[in-house]
Amino acid sequence: DAGITQSPRHKVTETGTPVTLRCHQTENHRYMYWYRQDPGHGLRLIHYSYGVKDTDKGEVSDGYSVSRSKTEDFLLTLESATSSQTSVYFCAIRKDRDTGELFFGEGSRLTVL
Amino acid sequence: SQQGEEDPQALSIQEGENATMNCSYKTSINNLQWYRQNSGRGLVHLILIRSNEREKHSGRLRVTLDTSKKSSSLLITASRAADTASYFCAPQFGTGANNLFFGTGTRLTVIP
Repeated sequence: DAGITQSPRHKVTETGTPVTLRCHQTENHRYMYWYRQDPGHGLRLIHYSYGVKDTDKGEVSDGYSVSRSKTEDFLLTLESATSSQTSVYFCAIRKDRDTGELFFGEGSRLTVL
Repeated sequence: SQQGEEDPQALSIQEGENATMNCSYKTSINNLQWYRQNSGRGLVHLILIRSNEREKHSGRLRVTLDTSKKSSSLLITASRAADTASYFCAPQFGTGANNLFFGTGTRLTVIP
């Protein structure tokens, strides 16, 4: 157990509504990541954080924003959800300073109608 | 795209048999990682092989890396029904996990 909790685990929302997904870690790791997983695309990095208030974009960041006001929490926000953002979202943390070995949460399934 | 590409996309074997999954990538890497994902769950890190290593073992897992061919393979020996999962390779092209790119995975089914 990597001490990662994602919430909510499931959410159904309508196009145009804002959505925030939360990732909470209990182990004080510096690096946190948000991925989305879609059939045929594997996992793609949305945004990542390398410290409180320090974030950067990943491969598929358009339409998403993130915030990290505390070490333990990394929030992913969809300002105005679209059907193309229907996906499973995974949070991950990096424990090893020298490698990219990641530990993942259980995922948040988001459906945008 | 820098992601790894796994082959085959799906594999079905009998319990006790060996399972081999392959991964190819396109540019030089720092390391390559393999992950497993059970249905409906998050990914779990299995093994990491560095670019200067050719083979690595972990329990029933054996990973090889051929940087000249830009390919890696994951061998699971004496498979069990509990090995049923999707397996992903993730080449890392620089330092930091932001340079880690996941493939689309191989779906392994082990039949009891």
